[in-house]
Amino acid sequence: KAGVTQTPRYLIKTRGQQVTLSCSPISGHRSVSWYQQTPGQGLQFLFEYFSETQRNKGNFPGRFSGRQFSNSRSEMNVSTLELGDSALYLCASSQRDREYEQYFGPGTRLTVT
Amino acid sequence: AQTVTQSQPEMSVQEAETVTLSCTYDTSENNYYLFWYKQPPSRQMILVIRQEAYKQQNATENRFSVNFQKAAKSFSLKISDSQLGDTAMYFCAFLHPPGGTSYGKLTFGQGTILTVHP
Repeated sequence: KAGVTQTPRYLIKTRGQQVTLSCSPISGHRSVSWYQQTPGQGLQFLFEYFSETQRNKGNFPGRFSGRQFSNSRSEMNVSTLELGDSALYLCASSQRDREYEQYFGPGTRLTVT
Repeated sequence: AQTVTQSQPEMSVQEAETVTLSCTYDTSENNYYLFWYKQPPSRQMILVIRQEAYKQQNATENRFSVNFQKAAKSFSLKISDSQLGDTAMYFCAFLHPPGGTSYGKLTFGQGTILTVHP
């Protein structure tokens, strides 16, 4: 079975722009979670989607949004980028009722200049 | 809110020796999961070991074992016979229990950088 894939792997954007990151879960997994990893704040939960519905949301401003498609693929969008949004964005997928088995993707490294 | 604390920013160990990484957490929940994840320089998060709070027996996975002290809210990771490939950042994580509004959300500690020296 293929693992969790994230695209693109690396991205450079300018302040004020917007960006969309993609996450394809393991086949059969319907839950996708997103995390932001920075040296200062560590790993922080962004949001979680299940069956196209956002189930949980972390403490991030409204500039951070996401969605999930019927094939369970998920995208997250960050509008009006700020320098502090530079981070590694990780997604993880799991099966229904097996959220204790989350499998992580390789991450997308976003640099905002 | 649940918090996870790793008090050791960095640790080092000689190859083949044993090292223990510490983690404490704070929660009012009774049923939850705890994890240790490994993040090597490639940045890929890899699950090392999982502990279910309702199980008293400490989890083990080959060279990795935990000391789970529920009353003390302590969850340490012991790595035996350390190998060069164990060099990585290690994160302790708490999974919010089912039924709550945060189920499925992982709360991570700050991480411990472990270096294994030859």
